Amino acid sequence: QSALTQPASVSGSPGQSITISCTGISNDVDHYNYVSWYQQHPGKAPKLMIYDIYNRPSGVSNRFSGSKSGNTASLTISGLQAEDEALYYCSSYTTARTQGFGGGTKVTVL
Amino acid sequence: EVQLVESGGGLVQPGRSLRLSCAASGFTFDDYAMHWVRQAPGKGLEWVSGVSWSGGDMGYADSVKGRFTISRENAKNSLYLQMNSLRVEDTALYYCARVKTVVVTHDAFDIWGQGTMVTVSS
Repeated sequence: QSALTQPASVSGSPGQSITISCTGISNDVDHYNYVSWYQQHPGKAPKLMIYDIYNRPSGVSNRFSGSKSGNTASLTISGLQAEDEALYYCSSYTTARTQGFGGGTKVTVL
Repeated sequence: EVQLVESGGGLVQPGRSLRLSCAASGFTFDDYAMHWVRQAPGKGLEWVSGVSWSGGDMGYADSVKGRFTISRENAKNSLYLQMNSLRVEDTALYYCARVKTVVVTHDAFDIWGQGTMVTVSS
């Protein structure tokens, strides 16, 4: 199974940029380019924001971007807006043919 | 409209069984692998199980292996999760989710249902 580590919380002021990290182990983030990011507002289903490390689905703002270096993937939100306040989860495919999720990061817009 | 609607959740005693269903519409169901993801109250997301587009390849999280069985009925555009020997720690909102790319079994999840709540308690 995958144990992806994310910071519990990240905050920023409107207009600023923030970055959320997602650190994996050798059988997931480092091994594959199948890292995705999800946004979840309270009481709502998760929404896909980034797939395959840096690709954005149609309709997702270009303020959201993804990257990866070694066993750490990152999600950057530029030009932070009030509507970006939510929980964010990273996910990666693993060598065990399972899908792992990080513990989630609460983004607060100050 | 592309849509997934889960059903079958409820309150069940430990050790009992429950079967969840997920009805798909708005897309060619048998082109896509499907998965179940759960979220315990106040907790994060946990992948539970996935099944290939054909139903021939299935995978499970260690926490449910041997107790849960995923299946699909493409003729009915439906996904199922048979949950046996339920435990208190299985209490969660269960989402069904579609992968983004046709035919691929493990991929990002681009379509999610609203979830069905399973509560395991005596």
